[in-house]
Amino acid sequence: AQKVTQAQTEISVVEKEDVTLDCVYETRDTTYYLFWYKQPPSGELVFLIRRNSFDEQNEISGRYSWNFQKSTSSFNFTITASQVVDSAVYFCALSVLDDKIIFGKGTRLHILP
Amino acid sequence: DAGITQSPRHKVTETGTPVTLRCHQTENHRYMYWYRQDPGHGLRLIHYSYGVKDTDKGEVSDGYSVSRSKTEDFLLTLESATSSQTSVYFCAISRGGDSGDYGYTFGSGTRLTVV
Repeated sequence: AQKVTQAQTEISVVEKEDVTLDCVYETRDTTYYLFWYKQPPSGELVFLIRRNSFDEQNEISGRYSWNFQKSTSSFNFTITASQVVDSAVYFCALSVLDDKIIFGKGTRLHILP
Repeated sequence: DAGITQSPRHKVTETGTPVTLRCHQTENHRYMYWYRQDPGHGLRLIHYSYGVKDTDKGEVSDGYSVSRSKTEDFLLTLESATSSQTSVYFCAISRGGDSGDYGYTFGSGTRLTVV
């Protein structure tokens, strides 16, 4: 069975600090995809990134970066120089190619001005 | 953004009444999904569809049924609503893994309150 664990339920940081959201996944499949979604206070779910299991290269997109490590089954998300607009719930998710995505329980991030 | 709309956006209903939520897409995507979001649980899959008239159960399907008579519409029905079904319901669409495109686009959600 697949599982996604986001151990941090809620995080608060002061604006401009860096923050890392942890994600640990479990699967016996060798081919899978990992995702991060953002849910701002307005409630919609916004796709951030998708990585496949064969590509461990870290990715950077502006202030966002993702660290994928198969050795530790982790796919962590870092926001550099956080801003108030980054306040949201962030979901890590996993798909093992059965066209269903399993979500973690989410991490609520508060960026304090 | 992909063309996916959910209706209604908000609904209050009484315990024991039937409720139907609608998800409509204009993207001709093969796969459609219904999730519910509850505090402390993240998003949990209720039912999904991989084509017209082809549906299957997800993790939390008890008390829910679905129908897909057209590619563009996926209906979620609560046969007899209970307070435990108070939640935010999200519809999602995807092309499906056989297209090489993994990942969802979500609707805006339906907030359902059962009193």
